[in-house]
Amino acid sequence: RKEVEQDPGPFNVPEGATVAFNCTYSNSASQSFFWYRQDCRKEPKLLMSVYSSGNEDGRFTAQLNRASQYISLLIRDSKLSDSATYLCVVKGTGRRALTFGSGTRLQVQP
Amino acid sequence: DARVTQTPRHKVTEMGQEVTMRCQPILGHNTVFWYRQTMMQGLELLAYFRNRAPLDDSGMPKDRFSAEMPDATLATLKIQPSEPRDSAVYFCASGLQLEGGYEQYFGPGTRLTVT
Repeated sequence: RKEVEQDPGPFNVPEGATVAFNCTYSNSASQSFFWYRQDCRKEPKLLMSVYSSGNEDGRFTAQLNRASQYISLLIRDSKLSDSATYLCVVKGTGRRALTFGSGTRLQVQP
Repeated sequence: DARVTQTPRHKVTEMGQEVTMRCQPILGHNTVFWYRQTMMQGLELLAYFRNRAPLDDSGMPKDRFSAEMPDATLATLKIQPSEPRDSAVYFCASGLQLEGGYEQYFGPGTRLTVT
């Protein structure tokens, strides 16, 4: 089983829709979690951290479910500019820094 | 607007040649990461440094890859000799160590093609 798993998609949604992605992780001792966004042929950019209590930033909401070992990202009122690949990142234990998921591709259509 | 810079942005070289990629982290960041991204493997961590000391390079093929941080403003990743399977985008990221993790800021990447 991979350390971090994501549905590759693509998720094709119309503008204005609400869309959610999940990301599962295998190490129950994982300490911290992040969502990054990567546009085609660009570098990943930090979207938001995921706290135990959840985190909301405008149209974006991230949540952590430790019991089921997954994190989620909810995007409300999707915009065309939200089209990108969303990468889940998990900090495990020990010296290993961070593990990236393979990403979920979102395509918002007019 | 502080950014991570990487050079070169693109590199095409022949198999067997040495490749050196450079990264200038954001001033004040104490941690530097090297990643490789391919379509097949996604984003893989090769190595990372904290306060210029290597902390984890278990993701890096040791026989041909080396990573160093000669000073706080420069990190290098070297491949010698290069092979076609090394073709990928190599990202450098810098960040601050937070409680339980890091917030990383990526450079634009070096797109390497080995023929």
